[in-house]
Amino acid sequence: GQNIDQPTEMTATEGAIVQINCTYQTSGFNGLFWYQQHAGEAPTFLSYNVLDGLEEKGRFSSFLSRSKGYSYLLLKELQMKDSASYLCAVLGGSYIPTFGRGTSLIVHP
Amino acid sequence: ETGVTQTPRHLVMGMTNKKSLKCEQHLGHNAMYWYKQSAKKPLELMFVYNFKEQTENNSVPSRFSPECPNSSHLFLHLHTLQPEDSALYLCASSQDGGGQPQHFGDGTRLSIL
Repeated sequence: GQNIDQPTEMTATEGAIVQINCTYQTSGFNGLFWYQQHAGEAPTFLSYNVLDGLEEKGRFSSFLSRSKGYSYLLLKELQMKDSASYLCAVLGGSYIPTFGRGTSLIVHP
Repeated sequence: ETGVTQTPRHLVMGMTNKKSLKCEQHLGHNAMYWYKQSAKKPLELMFVYNFKEQTENNSVPSRFSPECPNSSHLFLHLHTLQPEDSALYLCASSQDGGGQPQHFGDGTRLSIL
């Protein structure tokens, strides 16, 4: 089976840096996705990691360690519009994604 | 602007009603998905279609019946639902079923009276 764990809620200050962690146990591994979902809207793709290391994309970066079953999403120079839910999803051996519960990020002034 | 369109955006129905949710994607993708999103729970995969063939049914009750007439359209037929079926139903598509990023619609908010 699959188990994905991420914090339920985090708060941070505008302009700061925040790291959202995701740990997983899966049977087979074919990659890990991060999605952003604003309230009442569709989830949107942020990043994909399949090899160990850091992938940087503007203010957002995502890290993966396959041996530790661990990923994080790093958000720099936080803006108010970054307040959203961040979903970690793992691709198991069948290439079907399993999602975590999501981390609700609140950015305050 | 999303390339995946879902209708209706909101639906209220009684337990004995029959209704259908519609999803259309304009991205040229070959795989389509139905998910259920309930408060405080992970996205739950319901069905997967790849090249119009159903490849995954995640132990979904028979009161939910999917239909995929072509690679661009996906329906979810609803019949005799229960109050616990109230949730946000999300449709997604991807290039194929091989693990590419998914593109989601805005969902249908379903309320069962």
